Amino acid sequence: GAVVSQHPSRVICKSGTSVKIECRSLDFQATTMFWYRQFPKQSLMLMATSNEGSKATYEQGVEKDKFLINHASLTLSTLTVTSAHPEDSSFYICSARKDGRKETQYFGPGTRLLVL
Amino acid sequence: GESVGLHLPTLSVQEGDNSIINCAYSNSASDYFIWYKQESGKGPQFIIDIRSNMDKRQGQRVTVLLNKTVKHLSLQIAATQPGDSAVYFCADSRGGGGNKLTFGTGTQLKVEL
Repeated sequence: GAVVSQHPSRVICKSGTSVKIECRSLDFQATTMFWYRQFPKQSLMLMATSNEGSKATYEQGVEKDKFLINHASLTLSTLTVTSAHPEDSSFYICSARKDGRKETQYFGPGTRLLVL
Repeated sequence: GESVGLHLPTLSVQEGDNSIINCAYSNSASDYFIWYKQESGKGPQFIIDIRSNMDKRQGQRVTVLLNKTVKHLSLQIAATQPGDSAVYFCADSRGGGGNKLTFGTGTQLKVEL
């Protein structure tokens, strides 16, 4: 199998607060995980590549100090949206790549973030 | 893939008919291609993949065709069912690019009873 979970599935927070989203590979090890953001009726946009034991690699235009990524183990990566604002409201999706399989990414169910 | 715009193209088919969803990609160096299905409010689900050394691959009720000459990818779904209704995304990656996936715009498939 290749099951990826995310927690929470949805979160509502006040502007200025920080929100942490967890991504777990449940039945495989994943040295590499990815974080995406998706706005309504749009495609997935890669935010960053999360590497176990090292710093994340951010895509152009993504603020690393705002979107903190920690990949502390082979099955867990976390994304923290710091000082969230209404424009950060979106669907955040993580994916994990099985160690030994270079390309295929398995996606989590996503986290709906609403910042008031 | 090429991700543009705010409006998803829509394909409407009758239940039982075959569906063909098309995708264009822009990077001629891409060597791996994958189709995902995304239902409303959920994460993308793997359907089928193909490498650049192939031009056709078949799965259960699905076939992916790759035309590298015109950088075109298609997904064929046989005997489309109501449960196939979803948004379908193609994605491509390049081995030398860290295997990051680039997603296409997506196509909304609606199955009419």
